[in-house]
Parts: sequence; structure tokens; C-alpha cells
Amino acid sequence: DTGVSQDPRHKITKRGQNVTFRCDPISEHNRLYWYRQTLGQGPEFLTYFQNEAQLEKSRLLSDRFSAERPKGSFSTLEIQRTEQGDSAMYLCASSPTDSGANVLTFGAGSRLTVL
Amino acid sequence: AQSVTQLDSHVSVSEGTPVLLRCNYSSSYSPSLFWYVQHPNKGLQLLLKYTSAATLVKGINGFEAEFKKSETSFHLTKPSAHMSDAAEYFCVVRRAGDSWGKLQFGAGTQVVVTP
Repeated sequence: DTGVSQDPRHKITKRGQNVTFRCDPISEHNRLYWYRQTLGQGPEFLTYFQNEAQLEKSRLLSDRFSAERPKGSFSTLEIQRTEQGDSAMYLCASSPTDSGANVLTFGAGSRLTVL
Repeated sequence: AQSVTQLDSHVSVSEGTPVLLRCNYSSSYSPSLFWYVQHPNKGLQLLLKYTSAATLVKGINGFEAEFKKSETSFHLTKPSAHMSDAAEYFCVVRRAGDSWGKLQFGAGTQVVVTP
């Protein structure tokens, strides 16, 4: 296992279209996190899963956003009716358990540009 | 409320000279603090973390940080910069009681290393 994989790496779309990003965490990591990073800012927490259960969602995650982790392995983040303000890097991270002894492993991100 | 402030958005250093990246946090109780580094097209990588043990924390690649509660600071230092240290650095806080993967990032400090 080579780490956290995200696909696609880049996505350009027109306003109003739907987009979906996929994250494959390190196998057997039961925690999976999504973050959003806009230009010139640090990443912001969006949501996280323990196995297939979505345990917390940030207020940043409007009703146009939905995240799933159906079998407790890979996760998808879908944005419906994209807006220009959705342009950002979407980061995924995973960890084995919820412990300070663990290190979050981040993927390289999926960059979204909404025209 | 809990947040981090990175006092410099850009730092330029010459190769072989010391690096200092400044971070202040605000918290009503002792937080867990981290420094992450982000190289272009790479995932965020943990440099070091403070979780209420020793106040001087040593990390990877020769970096270290000192937790100073009286100054609410967690500055990152390295005695001698290397060209490979050119990247963006984030000071990060985790609020007590939150998931270990739910992190608040500062806005980042871009480090440029000149020959």
C-alpha cells in the first residue's frame, strides 16, 4: 500500500455541473477525513468517517455536498450544482484509529476549478 | 474558541542559515499542536507534534518547536536551511475532545530558500 490516493487529481467543470471525487485510504485505516483548501489558506475540516459511519460534518459542508464511505474502504465526495466558490483543493486523509499516537496520512488532493 | 495565527505569510532564507517560523495559538486550555509541511503536488506531511509532554519537540529533517504556554506560542526552527526545505508550512491545533483527525490549520507560511 503506497498511501492515500485521490482521483481525479484535477477537475475543471462549468458552474452548475456535478462533480465527484474519490479517496482510497490506506487499507485497514478505519478513520477517513475530508478537508478543503482554498488558495492562500490552510486546509479546513469538512467531515470524517469511522468505517462507514459519518460521524461529524462541518457547517462548511452545505447541502450541495455529500460524502459517503459505503463499505468502510474508499470514500466519495460529491458536489452538486457547483459554484465558483467551490474552486479549491479537496484533501483526503486517513488514520488507523482515533489516537494521538497515530499520524494522519494525507493524499495529494483533488484540485477543482469551476468556470 | 481555538485558532492559530502564523505571523509570517512568507519567509525567505539563505541556504545554511537558520529558519524561524512563528505561530501563536489561542485556547482556553492546553491544546495539541502540530507543524505540517506541504511540498508542491505532495500530501501534507507531519513534521512534529506537541501533546503535553516535553515542551521542546524534535521532528523530522532537523526541525524542532518549543511550546511556550506563557506566550501561547509554538514556533518552528531549524538551525540550517536546506534547499529541500522550500515548501509551505502550517501550524495546526487540535481542540481537546475532538477527533485526532479534526484539525485547525493556520493560513500557512511559504518558505523560500535561496542558494
